[in-house]
Amino acid sequence: EPEVTQTPSHQVTQMGQEVILRCVPISNHLYFYWYRQILGQKVEFLVSFYNNEISEKSEIFDDQFSVERPDGSNFTLKIRSTKLEDSAMYFCASSEATSGSSLDEQYFGPGTRLTVT
Amino acid sequence: AQTVTQSQPEMSVQEAETVTLSCTYDTSESDYYLFWYKQPPSRQMILVIRQEAYKQQNATENRFSVNFQKAAKSFSLKISDSQLGDAAMYFCAYRFYQGGKLIFGQGTELSVKP
Repeated sequence: EPEVTQTPSHQVTQMGQEVILRCVPISNHLYFYWYRQILGQKVEFLVSFYNNEISEKSEIFDDQFSVERPDGSNFTLKIRSTKLEDSAMYFCASSEATSGSSLDEQYFGPGTRLTVT
Repeated sequence: AQTVTQSQPEMSVQEAETVTLSCTYDTSESDYYLFWYKQPPSRQMILVIRQEAYKQQNATENRFSVNFQKAAKSFSLKISDSQLGDAAMYFCAYRFYQGGKLIFGQGTELSVKP
């Protein structure tokens, strides 16, 4: 069964450093998402991406964040200058569509745990 | 703005018994979807069940069923014949019909006692 993959599973970085979190969505999916979950808290939407453009972003997704689909398979989240409060689990998700039947189901990756020290 | 509230931070159930997890939401939209996701200790997010707001019939998936009360904006999850593998964090989520982003509740930690 196709699945969303994410690398690395755990990333430790120092405050102020840049990190890139990588995701490989399911191959025929067109819509991509990043969510984050601070330990013990709820999952929060960061950004959605379609047709090489950001479709929607939350207020969390400030200028320190960027997303990119550098090739036909990868979808990346970059944090330019990490802060302590960026420590969280970051989930990538993808879907075939955004509405209608089951095509809009978002499949989540296993997550990347980011620890900022 | 849409919000999702889960008022039970923790729940416990005996193996083979039934448990109900509560969720309420707020929206001014009439067309939307509601979901329950399971997050086991591995932290992978797994879709358990979904409900389309325009459908009056409650969704069911094997041992999982929902009680969807649109007027009350309530969406509870019932797990029947609970199994040890059901132990996890459960998140209720909302999505506007035409939109992509999921809005999650705070989660309910379910433990299953043997």
